[in-house]
Amino acid sequence: SQTIHQWPATLVQPVGSPLSLECTVEGTSNPNLYWYRQAAGRGLQLLFYSVGIGQISSEVPQNLSASRPQDRQFILSSKKLLLSDSGFYLCAWRKIDGTDTQYFGPGTRLTVL
Amino acid sequence: QQQVKQSPQSLIVQKGGISIINCAYENTAFDYFPWYQQFPGKGPALLIAIRPDVSEKKEGRFTISFNKSAKQFSLHIMDSQPGDSATYFCAASILNEGSYDKVIFGPGTSLSVIP
Repeated sequence: SQTIHQWPATLVQPVGSPLSLECTVEGTSNPNLYWYRQAAGRGLQLLFYSVGIGQISSEVPQNLSASRPQDRQFILSSKKLLLSDSGFYLCAWRKIDGTDTQYFGPGTRLTVL
Repeated sequence: QQQVKQSPQSLIVQKGGISIINCAYENTAFDYFPWYQQFPGKGPALLIAIRPDVSEKKEGRFTISFNKSAKQFSLHIMDSQPGDSATYFCAASILNEGSYDKVIFGPGTSLSVIP
């Protein structure tokens, strides 16, 4: 069975500090991978998606970046965090098999102070 | 054209009642319509999904009604329970479209079921 992991689960960072959030998927190969951000009580904002190693599409221009160094690894980064970067970050992978289901990870709660 | 609209933004239902959440889309190329359920502090999880070749799909207390001509679909939760209290997202996508790799989510509905 497939499993998606995210870490850390919770993170408190000062403004201007760097960020690295990691997502890994087990039990599947060549998945589509996605990073979403969810502000408190709000919907899902798609940040980045990737259809393969080294292939990143950005949805929203901001001070975040994403990388996919391995088939089942997706990393979200920032060189300098802003207060507005606070939120709940969700990684997801998409199963292209006729059901087109997206499976979400447990999320990372980021608070920028 | 890629937007999915969802209403209401929040919903309060008494235990045992019916919860109804509505969604609408514009892109007629969408051919897969899932609903996701999210509990506080957790990632969304697939609840139920429908293809446009059927008008209704039922799984337990959850039913999707689909109106292709009106480009609308809705989630009905029968006999709503306090454990159903969560945020619900409708979504739309195009299956197996190599150049279209995104699922479009609605803004979400916060459901509270009170005893």
